[in-house]
Amino acid sequence: GAVVSQHPSWVICKSGTSVKIECRSLDFQATTMFWYRQFPKQSLMLMATSNEGSKATYEQGVEKDKFLINHASLTLSTLTVTSAHPEDSSFYICSARKTRSYNEQFFGPGTRLTVL
Amino acid sequence: GDSVTQMEGPVTLSEEAFLTINCTYTATGYPSLFWYVQYPGEGLQLLLKATKADDKGSNKGFEATYRKETTSFHLEKGSVQVSDSAVYFCALKGRGSQGNLIFGKGTKLSVKP
Repeated sequence: GAVVSQHPSWVICKSGTSVKIECRSLDFQATTMFWYRQFPKQSLMLMATSNEGSKATYEQGVEKDKFLINHASLTLSTLTVTSAHPEDSSFYICSARKTRSYNEQFFGPGTRLTVL
Repeated sequence: GDSVTQMEGPVTLSEEAFLTINCTYTATGYPSLFWYVQYPGEGLQLLLKATKADDKGSNKGFEATYRKETTSFHLEKGSVQVSDSAVYFCALKGRGSQGNLIFGKGTKLSVKP
């Protein structure tokens, strides 16, 4: 298989707090992981690409100081939403690409973030 | 920039009906094209793909043909089942990209018994 998990699956937090979302490749090594954001009835928008052991590459318009990405191992990437505000409420999805594979990405089930 | 446009949903069909979900794209060069499916409560799964013009991707009775002349990659299935109820995403990956995908907005399909 090629299973990607995300934790938590949903989280509710107060405005101003930080939230960490984990993305794990359970049965393969992933040099590259991607973080997407999905608004209701909208497509997935790529936020950043993270490569194990190096800094993430952020898409235009994504604040890297607000959305901290760490990819410290070949099976784990984390996204931390710092000082969250209600407008950060969204569905966050990660995907992972197998090491030495350019093609297929395997997606996690997503994390629903609600900021009050 | 590159983009994907797919038909708005939701689409509601009766079991055994014919399905078409339209997808067109704008891209420089010759991108690879994909259809992903997201079943309720699950992550996106690759349904089928095509990497060059005139290629036909197929899986689980679904088909899509890469049409360069119309920049389209329409998804079709001859006879849908209740278990096909899901959200379907059309996506492209450019040749020169780092592997990131550009998605359409998704089309929700509901199949009634």
